[in-house]
Amino acid sequence: GAVVSQHPSRVICKSGTSVKIECRSLDFQATTMFWYRQFPKQSLMLMATSNEGSKATYEQGVEKDKFLINHASLTLSTLTVTSAHPEDSSFYICSAPGGDEKLFFGSGTQLSVL
Amino acid sequence: SQQGEEDPQALSIQEGENATMNCSYKTSINNLQWYRQNSGRGLVHLILIRSNEREKHSGRLRVTLDTSKKSSSLLITASRAADTASYFCAPSTGNQFYFGTGTSLTVIP
Repeated sequence: GAVVSQHPSRVICKSGTSVKIECRSLDFQATTMFWYRQFPKQSLMLMATSNEGSKATYEQGVEKDKFLINHASLTLSTLTVTSAHPEDSSFYICSAPGGDEKLFFGSGTQLSVL
Repeated sequence: SQQGEEDPQALSIQEGENATMNCSYKTSINNLQWYRQNSGRGLVHLILIRSNEREKHSGRLRVTLDTSKKSSSLLITASRAADTASYFCAPSTGNQFYFGTGTSLTVIP
């Protein structure tokens, strides 16, 4: 099946710094990728839809200047958490539609902001 | 909204028993999918059922869909300790996927 690779799996950073998370489709092309945020024991919250070659579509309430998304190629989307603060600490997961209308997920990134 | 809502929120059973979890949604869909998430990991696709299907099987999984009631159920038969995970349904129109809070399943050896 299709594979989505997400890096890093875990990152700890100081408050005020920026963190970049990469999501790659390894054996298929993804014109669209989805970025989710998940708090412990809670649902996945869709943050934005990343579109190759155009601007990302953000969900209501998600700050586009805070969470920068770049989908520069058919296999790579990046999420940059800018000027991270402790409240940004969360589990971030990317996914891409593969064949047969299914979603393939990365393994997630646990962000801890000190 | 397109979000699915799973019920119960948590389920604990003995190994070998069957586990049933339910999903309700509010909009028309093209298909409904079930995913599994192990703690601290991404989600893994389990099974997809289309809006014109009523039941589907895959190994120990059985999924039903009632579009008139806008509900679906996932049955895991002969559960194993390795089935311990969170399970999410995702009603889909093909463009976007919204997940509910999931059902946390614990299978006790």
